[in-house]
Amino acid sequence: DIVLTQSPDSLAVSLGERATITCKSSQNLLASSHNKDFLAWYQQKAGQPPKVLLYWASTRESGVPERFSGSGSGTDFTLTISSLQAEDVAVYYCHQFYSAPLTFGGGTKVEI
Amino acid sequence: EVHLVESGGGLVQPGGSLRLSCTASGFTFNNYWMNWVRQAPGKGLEWVANIKRDGSEEYYLDSVKGRFTISRDNARNSVFLRMDSLRVEDTAVYYCGGGGGFLIDLWGQGTLVTVSP
Repeated sequence: DIVLTQSPDSLAVSLGERATITCKSSQNLLASSHNKDFLAWYQQKAGQPPKVLLYWASTRESGVPERFSGSGSGTDFTLTISSLQAEDVAVYYCHQFYSAPLTFGGGTKVEI
Repeated sequence: EVHLVESGGGLVQPGGSLRLSCTASGFTFNNYWMNWVRQAPGKGLEWVANIKRDGSEEYYLDSVKGRFTISRDNARNSVFLRMDSLRVEDTAVYYCGGGGGFLIDLWGQGTLVTVSP
């Protein structure tokens, strides 16, 4: 099974500052046949289901603000929130959809 | 507008059974892989199972293999999760989710399953 290790577990960032979350995969998520990384990032606010922010490691879902960006390839990935807003308080998860069993990282709680 | 609505959760004793249902609307259901993902109280997300568009392939989390069965009825735009031999550690909110492939980009609001003596 592919294990995703996220860090940190939690972080507190001032409004307008940058937040950075990393996700390390135990296996390569780059599919050569697609030339894409099968890695997504989700945001989950309290009492709500997850919402996809980014997929293919760096492609923003429609409607997601530009302050959210993703980078990395292979086994190391990063989610960056360039200028934290109050509405960004949530738990963020990385997720590999490369192979079953699908797996999620442990989550990173972002607070102000 | 896209909707996924789960039902069937509740309180059950260890060893018991439940059948969760998820009804979809607002998108072409038979074009989507469908999944069940769970979240224990205060914990992270855990994928449980998924099923291919035509029902020809199914995949499961190891800890539920042989106990849970995912199925779908494309005529009714519905996906199901039959859960047998339930354990205390199966207690969670169960989300229904869908995607064109393995990526889950549509989510329901979830249904709570509590397994307790």
